[in-house]
Amino acid sequence: ETGVTQTPRHLVMGMTNKKSLKCEQHLGHNAMYWYKQSAKKPLELMFVYNFKEQTENNSVPSRFSPECPNSSHLFLHLHTLQPEDSALYLCASSPPPPSAGDYNEQFFGPGTRLTVL
Amino acid sequence: GQNIDQPTEMTATEGAIVQINCTYQTSGFNGLFWYQQHAGEAPTFLSYNVLDGLEEKGRFSSFLSRSKGYSYLLLKELQMKDSASYLCAVKDSNYQLIWGAGTKLIIKP
Repeated sequence: ETGVTQTPRHLVMGMTNKKSLKCEQHLGHNAMYWYKQSAKKPLELMFVYNFKEQTENNSVPSRFSPECPNSSHLFLHLHTLQPEDSALYLCASSPPPPSAGDYNEQFFGPGTRLTVL
Repeated sequence: GQNIDQPTEMTATEGAIVQINCTYQTSGFNGLFWYQQHAGEAPTFLSYNVLDGLEEKGRFSSFLSRSKGYSYLLLKELQMKDSASYLCAVKDSNYQLIWGAGTKLIIKP
């Protein structure tokens, strides 16, 4: 257990559905991240929240919409996804970047395995 | 562009030693991480290097050469439970993590 939980663990949805992924951390961290992990590809950073404010949006399509109501919770709202969006979606948290001298280890949740039909 | 290279897959024998290499080209350097990820599970932190040299932590060691843009993770006395993917990541000048695609390590009896 890393202290970061994600629900659901598995999700199958059609291209016209709307669903949300949830992430929760109990580590007292102030930075939270969404990553996409596809087979044999590097982790792709999607969004970063620092003290509930979005600080990074790495050219993610608008069909992915993040929400961070407080420093412990992070959501990823999904709508009209495409089959190529099928992947493992990982949430992570860390002490807020940057902190020179600290290595700001990221703690990951187990991920949501998403399949878009 | 920024790039992290590591082998896609490696196979080793239980009880043996394996070295997983990682080379990087990034805009700036503020440390290199190794993570372990078992299938269907979260990546978990293994090691961090920011200065040149070897960091040892039990059966696992990590080495860094900043001048060569090179690191390796050394796993000794391999156990079946070490079968996993090993992810190399570099923190760039903006303190963002740049990730490699991971090395899948298969341990055979």
